[in-house]
Amino acid sequence: DARVTQTPRHKVTEMGQEVTMRCQPILGHNTVFWYRQTMMQGLELLAYFRNRAPLDDSGMPKDRFSAEMPDATLATLKIQPSEPRDSAVYFCASSGPIANSPLHFGNGTRLTVT
Amino acid sequence: DAKTTQPPSMDCAEGRAANLPCNHSTISGNEYVYWYRQIHSQGPQYIIHGLKNNETNEMASLIITEDRKSSTLILPHATLRDTAVYYCIVRVEHNQGGKLIFGQGTELSVKP
Repeated sequence: DARVTQTPRHKVTEMGQEVTMRCQPILGHNTVFWYRQTMMQGLELLAYFRNRAPLDDSGMPKDRFSAEMPDATLATLKIQPSEPRDSAVYFCASSGPIANSPLHFGNGTRLTVT
Repeated sequence: DAKTTQPPSMDCAEGRAANLPCNHSTISGNEYVYWYRQIHSQGPQYIIHGLKNNETNEMASLIITEDRKSSTLILPHATLRDTAVYYCIVRVEHNQGGKLIFGQGTELSVKP
């Protein structure tokens, strides 16, 4: 089965450090989504791209978060500087070019900022 | 985006059908109903989606009322591995972005 691959699976870092999370979408998928999940807020949409161009990043704190797609096989989410409140599980998902193609999720990066 | 309402939790006996309800009274004509589930510590898993006709696949059946204001996800023979949080989502039409906005979902517990 084709899968969305996220790395690293776990990341522990100190406050103030830069964090980079990576996502490899399913081959042929042209839309990539970044979500964040916490106990308090549930699953929140941070940003998403279509054909590598950002469609909507209104859910993302702009001052410290940035999302990019350097190429069609890699999406990155960076936090600089990281804060304890950024501790969460970050999920990447991708979907294909056909209308109403379902999103397929990776297994997430669990980030802990101390 | 149309909002959905789901019960926070449900129980089901192993081997019985699990019927998970969802209300989406403000759904628009071009919005689809999607169901996902999330097993602890994993990413959400796609189950099924539909517009107005009932749908069935190897995982589940989706029954959408004629007025499209509610739907029911049916797991015909629930197993312990079906214990998860189930999300009902109304999806914005593809040409308007196609994003999924998750609510709180229903926590389904399948008991032996």
